[in-house]
Amino acid sequence: ILNVEQSPQSLHVQEGDSTNFTCSFPSSNFYALHWYRWETAKSPEALFVMTLNGDEKKKGRISATLNTKEGYSYLYIKGSQPEDSATYLCASLSNSGYALNFGKGTSLLVTP
Amino acid sequence: ETGVTQTPRHLVMGMTNKKSLKCEQHLGHNAMYWYKQSAKKPLELMFVYNFKEQTENNSVPSRFSPECPNSSHLFLHLHTLQPEDSALYLCASSQDFPPGDSPLHFGNGTRLTVT
Repeated sequence: ILNVEQSPQSLHVQEGDSTNFTCSFPSSNFYALHWYRWETAKSPEALFVMTLNGDEKKKGRISATLNTKEGYSYLYIKGSQPEDSATYLCASLSNSGYALNFGKGTSLLVTP
Repeated sequence: ETGVTQTPRHLVMGMTNKKSLKCEQHLGHNAMYWYKQSAKKPLELMFVYNFKEQTENNSVPSRFSPECPNSSHLFLHLHTLQPEDSALYLCASSQDFPPGDSPLHFGNGTRLTVT
């Protein structure tokens, strides 16, 4: 994998459902993986920064895992709420680079 | 209050106009960035300044000209733009460069339309 890829591109769930999405990134020379939440008409907001293989981070109902050997990260949302509706971006940084490489994002819509 | 403030929020300009985008961060960060978000594309890094020094110019056309007078302010000067330059322009800052362990803090962006 040369670029950061996110799937699915979009997701529509009902309030109360749990959901997850995937970020795939180049595993060679890995340094860090960032997750951001971007609500409409607002600025992207950092959720997690992870650097170690096996890292698991949690913020409220949202959690993320990291597998640097195979080059993927999962973002989980437990009991989705309408306020979770947003685009979720992931970005990776290699230890030979200087810039975060962003994916296109997963657009989540949670309806009551 | 995001800590990173961008003005204007919206800008419509003709191809022969000259305009500037402004970004200010109140977080004491050392690095500032300009990103471009076009429809259905990932965020693209345009410029990076670290301690007021331009670190990278990511092959951006010369019709975009950045300026960083101090570590808290960043400008993007625009002149003779093309319609395909219409996009959302986001400013961001981070404590460290490369960001690594430091998350980016973004502004709300400027929605630019070139007519």
